[in-house]
Amino acid sequence: GQNIDQPTEMTATEGAIVQINCTYQTSGFNGLFWYQQHAGEAPTFLSYNVLDGLEEKGRFSSFLSRSKGYSYLLLKELQMKDSASYLCAVRDSNYQLIWGAGTKLIIKP
Amino acid sequence: IAGITQAPTSQILAAGRRMTLRCTQDMRHNAMYWYRQDLGLGLRLIHYSNTAGTTGKGEVPDGYSVSRANTDDFPLTLASAVPSQTSVYFCASSGSPDRPDTQYFGPGTRLTVL
Repeated sequence: GQNIDQPTEMTATEGAIVQINCTYQTSGFNGLFWYQQHAGEAPTFLSYNVLDGLEEKGRFSSFLSRSKGYSYLLLKELQMKDSASYLCAVRDSNYQLIWGAGTKLIIKP
Repeated sequence: IAGITQAPTSQILAAGRRMTLRCTQDMRHNAMYWYRQDLGLGLRLIHYSNTAGTTGKGEVPDGYSVSRANTDDFPLTLASAVPSQTSVYFCASSGSPDRPDTQYFGPGTRLTVL
């Protein structure tokens, strides 16, 4: 079966750095997405990786290793507004997105 | 309209009733999707449409139907609602020229079936 694993919840301190991991086992791979979802709101797109390596976008970076079935989202200089759930999703061989259950990130002052 | 809109925002429905959730996008995206999101689970695809006039089944299609008569609209119908269909429903679309594979989501409909 297809599976996306990410931690259920993480806690970090304002101003610090946090890394949210995602491992996947899917039938085929056609890219990995990270989305942010604030409570009661819709998911919003953060990043997309299709090749191995690091993609940097401001305070957020995303890394992919296809051989290991592994990705992480790195958030730097954490702000209180970063408190949200972070969703990992993989596009499979049918070009459909398979979603992880999300990681709830709690930021403490 | 800018982006994707969904209606209603929330709804309480008696079991056995028919309900249509509406979704409209103004981005001229070819592909549209319906997901449900339940606590502790990832988003699960119900139905999708790659282009107007075509639809396909996702991971959890039973009890739901869709139509895609034009590019902008993608309604989801529950023919006879059951309590297990209590969920938050998100509509999404993809196909922007700069990021063709990225899905953009509507604000969601919170549905409670009693």
